[in-house]
Amino acid sequence: GDSVTQMEGPVTLSEEAFLTINCTYTATGYPSLFWYVQYPGEGLQLLLKATKADDKGSNKGFEATYRKETTSFHLEKGSVQVSDSAVYFCALSERAGNNRKLIWGLGTSLAVNP
Amino acid sequence: DVKVTQSSRYLVKRTGEKVFLECVQDMDHENMFWYRQDPGLGLRLIYFSYDVKMKEKGDIPEGYSVSREKKERFSLILESASTNQTSMYLCASRAGGQPGGSPLHFGNGTRLTVT
Repeated sequence: GDSVTQMEGPVTLSEEAFLTINCTYTATGYPSLFWYVQYPGEGLQLLLKATKADDKGSNKGFEATYRKETTSFHLEKGSVQVSDSAVYFCALSERAGNNRKLIWGLGTSLAVNP
Repeated sequence: DVKVTQSSRYLVKRTGEKVFLECVQDMDHENMFWYRQDPGLGLRLIYFSYDVKMKEKGDIPEGYSVSREKKERFSLILESASTNQTSMYLCASRAGGQPGGSPLHFGNGTRLTVT
């Protein structure tokens, strides 16, 4: 079945460092891909998404490109801030069927130190 | 902005009690979901609903039931709480009808402790 694998955390960085969180997937169809973020004490919120190959999602300085050839959707940010400390989840959704559930990665915890 | 409200932030219940977790969304979304979140296990889907009075089992429905009598409200019920149901419970909603899937909107979660 479909699956999502993301790098294990925790990831600890200093402020202004470059961030990459790896995410790879397996899917039989043509999924949409998402990154969600969970700040401490809150629920998850959508960070960015991409619906087809070569699309780039971006938001709040974060970017991820849908790479069909490598089945990847890695999250990147050029200069992280303390406020980016959170747990990041990669997820996929099959394009067919609007009631299909999301397939989630296990989450990667990021801590940014000043 | 979409608002998904979970009625309790923290709950402490005793083993064997019947527990109700309530969730309300204000955007007329067709789809609603209940997840539990545990360290090292990520998010696991318990139940979801794509319409009033409709429900489907997720990945871990055992020990849970749900109710959706109105479009805006989706309730999770633990018929007889057990200690292994101690967890963070997250409710989410999503609009239907969008190719590729529309984003989920989450509540802030209910941390349930069963003693």
